[in-house]
Amino acid sequence: DIVLTQSPDSLAVSLGERATINCKSSRSVLYNSYKDNYLAWFQQKPGQPPTLLIYWASTRESGVPDRFSGSGSGTDFTLTISSLQAEDVAVYYCHQYYSTPLTFGGGTKVEIK
Amino acid sequence: QITLKESGPTLVKPTQTVTLTCTFSGFSLTTTGVGVGWIRQPPGKALEWLALIYWDDDKRYSSSLASRLTVTKDTSKNQVVLTMTNMGPVDTATYYCAHRRPATKGAVFDMWGQGTTVIVSS
Repeated sequence: DIVLTQSPDSLAVSLGERATINCKSSRSVLYNSYKDNYLAWFQQKPGQPPTLLIYWASTRESGVPDRFSGSGSGTDFTLTISSLQAEDVAVYYCHQYYSTPLTFGGGTKVEIK
Repeated sequence: QITLKESGPTLVKPTQTVTLTCTFSGFSLTTTGVGVGWIRQPPGKALEWLALIYWDDDKRYSSSLASRLTVTKDTSKNQVVLTMTNMGPVDTATYYCAHRRPATKGAVFDMWGQGTTVIVSS
């Protein structure tokens, strides 16, 4: 199984400041034929299901604010919130869909400092 | 507009079998590349993928739970059913179903149901 390790477990950021979340995969999720990384990021607010933010490591889902961006390739990935807003308080998960069994990271809780 | 809704018993006893149903609209599970997955989340814990069924009836399961899981589809009813045997307290969780896009559009879970809570207790 591909193991995804997120860091940190939690972080507190001031409103308007940058938040950075890391996700390290135990194996590459780069699908060489298409040069796509099969890595997604989800946001989950309390009491709600996860919502898709980013797929193919860096493609923003339709309707997602552009303060959210994804980067990385192979085994190391980053989700960046460029200017944290109050509504961004949530838990964020990375997810690999390169191969089954599909797996998720352990989550990173983002709070306001 | 894609919507999914999970349903099933809230309370089950240890060793029982639970059957969860995902009823969806806005897409067809006969469309090439489309899939429906099941993911669960114990209280306060991370997401855990359980199973995935594709338009062509290909089925994939979690390595650790494969012996206990069965996923089926009924395209005429727009439903996907997950059966989990020998339930135990550790299986207490919110169970979600989600639509998986074709690979050409990202192959990712893009829409999720609200989830159904299953509590395992005697």
